[in-house]
Amino acid sequence: AQSVTQPDIHITVSEGASLELRCNYSYGATPYLFWYVQSPGQGLQLLLKYFSGDTLVQGIKGFEAEFKRSQSSFNLRKPSVHWSDAAEYFCAVGAGGGATNKLIFGTGTLLAVQP
Amino acid sequence: DAGITQSPRHKVTETGTPVTLRCHQTENHRYMYWYRQDPGHGLRLIHYSYGVKDTDKGEVSDGYSVSRSKTEDFLLTLESATSSQTSVYFCAISGTSGGSYNEQFFGPGTRLTVL
Repeated sequence: AQSVTQPDIHITVSEGASLELRCNYSYGATPYLFWYVQSPGQGLQLLLKYFSGDTLVQGIKGFEAEFKRSQSSFNLRKPSVHWSDAAEYFCAVGAGGGATNKLIFGTGTLLAVQP
Repeated sequence: DAGITQSPRHKVTETGTPVTLRCHQTENHRYMYWYRQDPGHGLRLIHYSYGVKDTDKGEVSDGYSVSRSKTEDFLLTLESATSSQTSVYFCAISGTSGGSYNEQFFGPGTRLTVL
């Protein structure tokens, strides 16, 4: 069965520092992978997605993610964090095939940004 | 932003009462989903719809039912609310593109408290 693991429940970084949020997935075929961000009291917003092709994917707000099949990982990175990046981040994998577009989400990583 | 609204945005109810949450979209997307979000669990799929009157269960469907009589509306009903159903509920929508995966767009959420 498909699953997503985000090993870090909570991360704190200083403003201007680099960031990497980890995501590992379990899926038998080529996965469809997504990163979403949720600001407090808000719904989820798509940051980026990977379907195929270039394994380094660029997203909005200066984020990028790299798909590594050998490690079953899709880690999210940002070279310099801004205070407005404080939010909860969710990794998700497509499940059930394109006929349903169902997603399985990880449990999330809460990012705090120190001034 | 995708045109998705949820109503009500907040609701407090008592154990044993029926509750219906509404999701309305203006995007004419085929797929609609209901999730619940709880600390430590991320988002878990309750039910989803792949067309008018076509619905299926997700991973946490017990105690919930859904209906979709029009493309734009997807209703989630708690027949007899329990305290374990206190949660934040999110609706999401997704379109189709040649059978490949599409991202899901999320509504603002409904905070439900069952006393």
